Amino acid sequence: RKEVEQDPGPFNVPEGATVAFNCTYSNSASQSFFWYRQDCRKEPKLLMSVYSSGNEDGRFTAQLNRASQYISLLIRDSKLSDSATYLCVFTGFQKLVFGTGTRLLVSP
Amino acid sequence: ETGVTQTPRHLVMGMTNKKSLKCEQHLGHNAMYWYKQSAKKPLELMFVYNFKEQTENNSVPSRFSPECPNSSHLFLHLHTLQPEDSALYLCASSQDGPGELFFGEGSRLTVL
Repeated sequence: RKEVEQDPGPFNVPEGATVAFNCTYSNSASQSFFWYRQDCRKEPKLLMSVYSSGNEDGRFTAQLNRASQYISLLIRDSKLSDSATYLCVFTGFQKLVFGTGTRLLVSP
Repeated sequence: ETGVTQTPRHLVMGMTNKKSLKCEQHLGHNAMYWYKQSAKKPLELMFVYNFKEQTENNSVPSRFSPECPNSSHLFLHLHTLQPEDSALYLCASSQDGPGELFFGEGSRLTVL
Protein backbone atom coordinates (compact mmCIF):
# COMPACT_ATOMS: atom_id res chain seq x y z
CA ARG A 1 0.00 0.00 0.00
CA LYS A 2 1.30 3.46 -0.87
CA GLU A 3 2.19 5.78 1.99
CA VAL A 4 -0.39 8.27 0.84
CA GLU A 5 -3.03 8.09 -1.88
CA GLN A 6 -4.95 10.88 -3.51
CA ASP A 7 -7.31 10.93 -6.46
CA PRO A 8 -5.35 12.93 -9.06
CA GLY A 9 -8.51 14.38 -10.62
CA PRO A 10 -9.00 16.75 -12.25
CA PHE A 11 -12.14 17.75 -10.46
CA ASN A 12 -14.02 20.12 -12.76
CA VAL A 13 -16.59 22.21 -10.88
CA PRO A 14 -18.51 25.41 -11.60
CA GLU A 15 -18.06 28.52 -9.54
CA GLY A 16 -20.07 28.37 -6.36
CA ALA A 17 -19.97 24.59 -6.11
CA THR A 18 -18.91 22.60 -3.07
CA VAL A 19 -16.16 20.08 -3.65
CA ALA A 20 -14.42 17.61 -1.37
CA PHE A 21 -11.19 15.65 -1.60
CA ASN A 22 -10.03 12.71 0.46
CA CYS A 23 -6.55 11.45 1.10
CA THR A 24 -5.67 8.13 2.71
CA TYR A 25 -2.44 7.38 4.53
CA SER A 26 -0.89 4.10 5.60
CA ASN A 27 1.26 5.07 8.59
CA SER A 28 -1.00 4.83 11.63
CA ALA A 29 1.69 6.52 13.74
CA SER A 30 1.42 9.78 11.80
CA GLN A 31 0.86 12.70 14.11
CA SER A 32 0.53 15.82 11.98
CA PHE A 33 -1.51 16.40 8.87
CA PHE A 34 -1.66 19.27 6.42
CA TRP A 35 -3.16 20.42 3.17
CA TYR A 36 -0.85 22.33 0.84
CA ARG A 37 -1.88 24.15 -2.30
CA GLN A 38 0.26 24.31 -5.44
CA ASP A 39 -0.62 26.61 -8.31
CA CYS A 40 0.51 25.74 -11.80
CA ARG A 41 4.30 26.07 -12.11
CA LYS A 42 4.54 27.50 -8.60
CA GLU A 43 5.81 26.21 -5.29
CA PRO A 44 3.58 24.46 -2.73
CA LYS A 45 2.20 26.63 0.07
CA LEU A 46 0.56 25.60 3.30
CA LEU A 47 -3.21 25.91 3.07
CA MET A 48 -4.13 24.61 6.49
CA SER A 49 -3.20 22.15 9.18
CA VAL A 50 -5.63 19.35 9.99
CA TYR A 51 -6.56 18.87 13.61
CA SER A 52 -8.15 15.84 15.23
CA SER A 53 -11.32 17.75 16.03
CA GLY A 54 -11.59 19.14 12.51
CA ASN A 55 -11.00 22.77 11.66
CA GLU A 56 -12.37 25.46 9.43
CA ASP A 57 -10.80 28.45 7.76
CA GLY A 58 -13.34 30.50 5.87
CA ARG A 59 -14.66 28.40 3.00
CA PHE A 60 -12.25 25.55 3.76
CA THR A 61 -12.91 22.72 6.20
CA ALA A 62 -10.41 20.00 7.01
CA GLN A 63 -11.15 16.78 8.85
CA LEU A 64 -9.17 13.83 10.12
CA ASN A 65 -10.49 10.29 10.50
CA ARG A 66 -7.84 8.30 12.35
CA ALA A 67 -9.89 5.09 12.45
CA SER A 68 -10.11 4.95 8.66
CA GLN A 69 -6.79 6.73 8.16
CA TYR A 70 -7.84 9.54 5.90
CA ILE A 71 -8.07 13.30 5.87
CA SER A 72 -10.47 15.39 3.87
CA LEU A 73 -10.70 18.92 2.52
CA LEU A 74 -14.04 20.56 1.78
CA ILE A 75 -14.22 23.75 -0.24
CA ARG A 76 -17.51 25.64 -0.22
CA ASP A 77 -18.58 28.31 -2.71
CA SER A 78 -15.69 27.57 -5.07
CA LYS A 79 -13.92 30.54 -6.68
CA LEU A 80 -11.99 30.63 -9.92
CA SER A 81 -8.91 31.36 -7.83
CA ASP A 82 -9.29 28.01 -6.05
CA SER A 83 -8.08 26.27 -9.22
CA ALA A 84 -4.87 24.55 -8.15
CA THR A 85 -3.45 21.22 -7.07
CA TYR A 86 -4.12 20.29 -3.45
CA LEU A 87 -1.47 18.17 -1.78
CA CYS A 88 -2.16 16.10 1.27
CA VAL A 89 0.80 15.93 3.62
CA PHE A 90 1.48 14.10 6.85
CA THR A 91 4.40 13.35 9.11
CA GLY A 92 5.92 9.93 8.75
CA PHE A 93 9.13 8.80 10.44
CA GLN A 94 9.95 12.38 11.44
CA LYS A 95 9.62 13.79 7.95
CA LEU A 96 6.83 15.13 5.81
CA VAL A 97 5.32 12.78 3.24
CA PHE A 98 3.53 14.36 0.30
CA GLY A 99 0.75 12.98 -1.84
CA THR A 100 0.77 13.42 -5.60
CA GLY A 101 -2.02 15.98 -5.33
CA THR A 102 -5.57 16.42 -6.52
CA ARG A 103 -6.11 18.92 -9.30
CA LEU A 104 -9.12 21.22 -9.04
CA LEU A 105 -10.43 23.28 -11.96
CA VAL A 106 -13.14 25.82 -11.20
CA SER A 107 -14.89 27.19 -14.26
CA PRO A 108 -17.15 30.25 -14.73
CA GLU B 1 9.51 39.16 -1.80
CA THR B 2 9.52 35.46 -1.02
CA GLY B 3 11.22 34.31 2.17
CA VAL B 4 13.06 31.56 0.29
CA THR B 5 14.85 32.41 -2.93
CA GLN B 6 16.31 29.97 -5.40
CA THR B 7 18.67 30.51 -8.31
CA PRO B 8 18.76 29.81 -11.13
CA ARG B 9 15.06 29.44 -11.90
CA HIS B 10 15.82 27.46 -15.03
CA LEU B 11 18.87 25.39 -15.92
CA VAL B 12 19.72 23.30 -18.96
CA MET B 13 22.80 21.15 -18.74
CA GLY B 14 24.49 18.31 -20.52
CA MET B 15 25.29 15.04 -18.81
CA THR B 16 28.95 15.93 -18.44
CA ASN B 17 28.42 19.42 -16.99
CA LYS B 18 28.85 20.53 -13.41
CA LYS B 19 26.42 23.11 -12.05
CA SER B 20 25.04 24.23 -8.72
CA LEU B 21 21.65 25.27 -7.44
CA LYS B 22 21.50 27.91 -4.73
CA CYS B 23 18.92 28.53 -2.04
CA GLU B 24 18.75 31.31 0.52
CA GLN B 25 16.18 31.74 3.26
CA HIS B 26 15.46 35.06 4.97
CA LEU B 27 13.13 33.67 7.64
CA GLY B 28 15.58 32.82 10.40
CA HIS B 29 14.65 29.14 10.23
CA ASN B 30 16.95 26.42 11.50
CA ALA B 31 16.15 23.65 9.00
CA MET B 32 16.52 23.56 5.23
CA TYR B 33 15.50 20.92 2.69
CA TRP B 34 15.95 19.88 -0.90
CA TYR B 35 12.98 18.24 -2.62
CA LYS B 36 12.63 16.85 -6.12
CA GLN B 37 9.32 17.16 -7.95
CA SER B 38 8.79 15.13 -11.13
CA ALA B 39 5.64 15.01 -13.22
CA LYS B 40 2.89 12.83 -11.72
CA LYS B 41 5.05 11.91 -8.73
CA PRO B 42 4.89 13.14 -5.16
CA LEU B 43 7.54 15.43 -3.81
CA GLU B 44 10.61 13.41 -2.96
CA LEU B 45 12.69 14.49 0.01
CA MET B 46 16.38 14.49 -0.90
CA PHE B 47 18.31 16.14 1.93
CA VAL B 48 17.63 17.76 5.28
CA TYR B 49 19.87 20.08 7.23
CA ASN B 50 19.24 21.11 10.83
CA PHE B 51 21.48 23.85 12.20
CA LYS B 52 23.82 23.30 9.21
CA GLU B 53 24.19 19.59 9.97
CA GLN B 54 22.89 17.04 7.48
CA THR B 55 20.32 14.91 9.24
CA GLU B 56 18.81 13.11 6.27
CA ASN B 57 20.11 11.75 3.01
CA ASN B 58 17.21 9.99 1.41
CA SER B 59 19.22 7.49 -0.66
CA VAL B 60 20.10 10.15 -3.19
CA PRO B 61 22.69 9.26 -5.86
CA SER B 62 26.13 10.72 -5.29
CA ARG B 63 25.85 12.82 -8.46
CA PHE B 64 23.82 15.16 -6.21
CA SER B 65 25.95 16.76 -3.52
CA PRO B 66 24.47 19.15 -0.96
CA GLU B 67 26.32 21.86 0.90
CA CYS B 68 25.08 23.99 3.78
CA PRO B 69 27.67 26.61 4.77
CA ASN B 70 25.34 28.30 7.26
CA SER B 71 21.73 28.10 8.38
CA SER B 72 20.59 30.56 5.68
CA HIS B 73 22.21 29.06 2.60
CA LEU B 74 21.90 25.71 0.91
CA PHE B 75 23.46 24.48 -2.30
CA LEU B 76 22.91 21.44 -4.47
CA HIS B 77 25.93 20.60 -6.59
CA LEU B 78 25.18 18.63 -9.73
CA HIS B 79 27.56 16.55 -11.82
CA THR B 80 27.24 13.84 -14.45
CA LEU B 81 23.48 13.92 -14.26
CA GLN B 82 21.13 11.70 -16.24
CA PRO B 83 18.12 12.77 -18.34
CA GLU B 84 15.80 11.23 -15.73
CA ASP B 85 17.11 13.80 -13.25
CA SER B 86 15.21 16.48 -15.15
CA ALA B 87 12.70 17.85 -12.66
CA LEU B 88 11.76 20.79 -10.49
CA TYR B 89 14.09 21.07 -7.51
CA LEU B 90 12.51 22.82 -4.56
CA CYS B 91 14.26 24.23 -1.55
CA ALA B 92 12.33 24.71 1.66
CA SER B 93 12.93 25.88 5.20
CA SER B 94 11.18 25.38 8.50
CA GLN B 95 11.52 26.20 12.14
CA ASP B 96 11.89 23.34 14.61
CA GLY B 97 11.29 20.34 12.41
CA PRO B 98 8.94 19.26 9.62
CA GLY B 99 5.84 21.29 10.39
CA GLU B 100 5.06 24.14 8.06
CA LEU B 101 7.51 24.27 5.18
CA PHE B 102 8.22 27.45 3.26
CA PHE B 103 9.24 26.66 -0.29
CA GLY B 104 11.22 28.62 -2.81
CA GLU B 105 9.89 28.95 -6.35
CA GLY B 106 12.10 26.10 -7.50
CA SER B 107 14.81 25.52 -10.05
CA ARG B 108 13.59 23.73 -13.16
CA LEU B 109 16.37 21.49 -14.40
CA THR B 110 16.60 19.91 -17.82
CA VAL B 111 19.36 17.40 -18.50
CA LEU B 112 20.07 16.77 -22.16
